[in-house]
Amino acid sequence: DGGITQSPKYLFRKEGQNVTLSCEQNLNHDAMYWYRQDPGQGLRLIYYSQIVNDFQKGDIAEGYSVSREKKESFPLTVTSAQKNPTAFYLCASTPKVTGGLSNQPQHFGDGTRLSIL
Amino acid sequence: KNEVEQSPQNLTAQEGEFITINCSYSVGISALHWLQQHPGGGIVSLFMLSSGKKKHGRLIATINIQEKHSSLHITASHPRDSAVYICAPRWGGGADGLTFGKGTHLIIQP
Repeated sequence: DGGITQSPKYLFRKEGQNVTLSCEQNLNHDAMYWYRQDPGQGLRLIYYSQIVNDFQKGDIAEGYSVSREKKESFPLTVTSAQKNPTAFYLCASTPKVTGGLSNQPQHFGDGTRLSIL
Repeated sequence: KNEVEQSPQNLTAQEGEFITINCSYSVGISALHWLQQHPGGGIVSLFMLSSGKKKHGRLIATINIQEKHSSLHITASHPRDSAVYICAPRWGGGADGLTFGKGTHLIIQP
């Protein structure tokens, strides 16, 4: 079955350490997204990518970095510059974007919960 | 930026009850998504609608574009419907045109 795989499910970060969250999809979707979810808040967009080797900042990109070297993969790195990284991180994808519009239902992974040691 | 209000924030009901979750937003939109987040955190897209009404099994979603309001209804609710339901209006093109509500935490008791 096609879907989005996020790993690991739980991740712990030490102070000053960078950590990378994995997101892989076998849906042949062009667009991929990273969201952050905090308790009592709606999802907020960190980064998104509409095609390979291209990505754009979302609302809360500071302290994060991404890459899109392959269509299937969109890893997110939480850098030491992100001072409050404890959150639930969700990866999503949508089918081909036409004309810059992505008015498609999003497919989500099961998320990664990041905590600080 | 679109402001999204969901109500109620929390809802506990008995099995079999008819459930209504409401979503209001502040600016004109092109479409609205309803999502279901399971206790483990994974999210499933339930509906995407831009007008009228959609039905899938026991779930019904309606939208009134003029009033900037959408509702999600669950008929004959069941404990397996217990989840967080999230409304997400799309107010523009591009990934940054999607705004997520804070969610409604629904518990259906047997």
